[in-house]
Amino acid sequence: KAGVTQTPRYLIKTRGQQVTLSCSPISGHRSVSWYQQTPGQGLQFLFEYFSETQRNKGNFPGRFSGRQFSNSRSEMNVSTLELGDSALYLCASSRMTQGARETQYFGPGTRLLVL
Amino acid sequence: QKEVEQNSGPLSVPEGAIASLNCTYSDRVSQSFFWYRQYSGKSPELIMSIYSNGDKEDGRFTAQLNKASQYVSLLIRDSQPSDSATYLCAVNREYGNKLVFGAGTILRVKS
Repeated sequence: KAGVTQTPRYLIKTRGQQVTLSCSPISGHRSVSWYQQTPGQGLQFLFEYFSETQRNKGNFPGRFSGRQFSNSRSEMNVSTLELGDSALYLCASSRMTQGARETQYFGPGTRLLVL
Repeated sequence: QKEVEQNSGPLSVPEGAIASLNCTYSDRVSQSFFWYRQYSGKSPELIMSIYSNGDKEDGRFTAQLNKASQYVSLLIRDSQPSDSATYLCAVNREYGNKLVFGAGTILRVKS
């Protein structure tokens, strides 16, 4: 079974631009979560989507948004990029049949560099 | 106080030894606990999950959970150089998928 896939893998943008990242979950997985990883802040939860609805949200500004499609694929968007948005963005999927005991599987990540 | 705390390390152990990684969490309603391994430049890879008090073993790995003390640990027996990585402790507090991660412990296994 194919794992979580993320595109693109690497991205370079300039301040003020916007970016869209894509995530395809493992087949049969209905929940997609997004995380940001930086050397200073570590791994931080951005948001989770399930059945095309945002179910959980982390403490990030409104410039960070996402959506989920009917096939469970998800996109996240960052508008008005800032230098501090440079990070590894990770997508994780889970089957969503065991409540809080769900195991999340991570994709390879998209490394974003903002210049 | 951080929600999930880990010693950043590095923790250095000789090949063949037992590596002990520790994690404490602050929220008593936390329901599920995970250990992920992350190699440099790669994404986190699930090692163990544990939900109930006690020990859970999987090969060379044993996870231990003590909810009264709000403590989770990971033991790696017969440590190998390939175990050298950052180990991330993660906690899920509620229904859905909203993992809170510790900063990670760097493990170095020396041959």
